[in-house]
Amino acid sequence: SQKIEQNSEALNIQEGKTATLTCNYTNYSPAYLQWYRQDPGRGPVFLLLIRENEKEKRKERLKVTFDTTLKQSLFHITASQPADSATYLCALGRSGGYNKLIFGAGTRLAVHP
Amino acid sequence: GAGVSQTPSNKVTEKGKYVELRCDPISGHTALYWYRQSLGQGPEFLIYFQGTGAADDSGLPNDRFFAVRPEGSVSTLKIQRTERGDSAVYLCASSFPGDGYNEQFFGPGTRLTVL
Repeated sequence: SQKIEQNSEALNIQEGKTATLTCNYTNYSPAYLQWYRQDPGRGPVFLLLIRENEKEKRKERLKVTFDTTLKQSLFHITASQPADSATYLCALGRSGGYNKLIFGAGTRLAVHP
Repeated sequence: GAGVSQTPSNKVTEKGKYVELRCDPISGHTALYWYRQSLGQGPEFLIYFQGTGAADDSGLPNDRFFAVRPEGSVSTLKIQRTERGDSAVYLCASSFPGDGYNEQFFGPGTRLTVL
């Protein structure tokens, strides 16, 4: 069956450092991958989308890579800030008319001053 | 503009009771999704609507779960004979139609607790 794995343990880093979160998947051939941020008690908020034919995508301090051979995506936050503390979810989707996403369990990031 | 809204924000019910959860999507979004999120897990797909019709209900766990969207806007998720295992946060999301690459806009969720 399809499986998506994200770092199960919380990631603790110092302010100003780069946070790197990992998303690995098996038994799936996604057309794209999305990253969402989720704060406690709130719904996920979309951050970035990367397609299967793209290697890297950037948006401000965020960078996502997608390696379909390794079946892995890396999500980087550079110059991290305490306000970046949240749970980050990766989600896979196939093309074909609608956006049925399969989510990982998420990784909790804590950025300390 | 207003985002996706969900009501109630919290619902506590007793085992065996019937509950309805409501979702108001962003105006103009024809695609609507329901997800269920358990503690420490990511959202789990339940059902997708395109307009008024349920285009994919493959995620509904059993026939106690049902959802409607009669006018292509507001949607209601209905759960009959609730069980303790139904306790979770139920999330609704909406998006523009398209080729499937569109971002989804999530509501804050309804936290359902079945005692």
